[in-house]
Amino acid sequence: GAGVSQTPSNKVTEKGKYVELRCDPISGHTALYWYRQSLGQGPEFLIYFQGTGAADDSGLPNDRFFAVRPEGSVSTLKIQRTERGDSAVYLCASSRTGGPNTGELFFGEGSRLTVL
Amino acid sequence: GQQLNQSPQSMFIQEGEDVSMNCTSSSIFNTWLWYKQDPGEGPVLLIALYKAGELTSNGRLTAQFGITRKDSFLNISASIPSDVGIYFCAGREAGNNRKLIWGLGTSLGVNP
Repeated sequence: GAGVSQTPSNKVTEKGKYVELRCDPISGHTALYWYRQSLGQGPEFLIYFQGTGAADDSGLPNDRFFAVRPEGSVSTLKIQRTERGDSAVYLCASSRTGGPNTGELFFGEGSRLTVL
Repeated sequence: GQQLNQSPQSMFIQEGEDVSMNCTSSSIFNTWLWYKQDPGEGPVLLIALYKAGELTSNGRLTAQFGITRKDSFLNISASIPSDVGIYFCAGREAGNNRKLIWGLGTSLGVNP
């Protein structure tokens, strides 16, 4: 597709459930990023992939969060045993490369997760 | 982690007015970016700056990379109603090129 596509756009789940959020980056973009954004805040970095490998996962808040990108394109963010504090908009972004002058991250519209 | 100090937090102006917002950091940055986010959308890149002192325009928007490398500003001239949204600054610290650090955003309202 032309832009970064994220599904689902909205997800409501119960505390303790497992959730998967999907990101389809712009074709040909090797770098993929996951961010989390709470109301009134800027995006909070979670994890960055260069190709298939997670180049930096230092932003993942705990081991309930995991992300994969097995073929270097689509990525899935997985959250186990969801908690109410996980409620946020999860943003995915991609860029052509992950190098130092690659400021141009293209964002998807986000997946809004609500944990009841 | 570090966050950028972005100000003002919010502003409400009349259509046609100019507006300015800025971002400061406690460390030296080698990249400054300005994004706009509309409700229900992801952030959209407006201007990217890579060199100290660099002044770049994008239509009615102008942004500068501060000489000290610890600040940047964004100006919007002759504001129009579609300028309404949240503007975020983001940047990369020198020596840590992978991670973007974000400000908390400036919420802009424009009264037609």
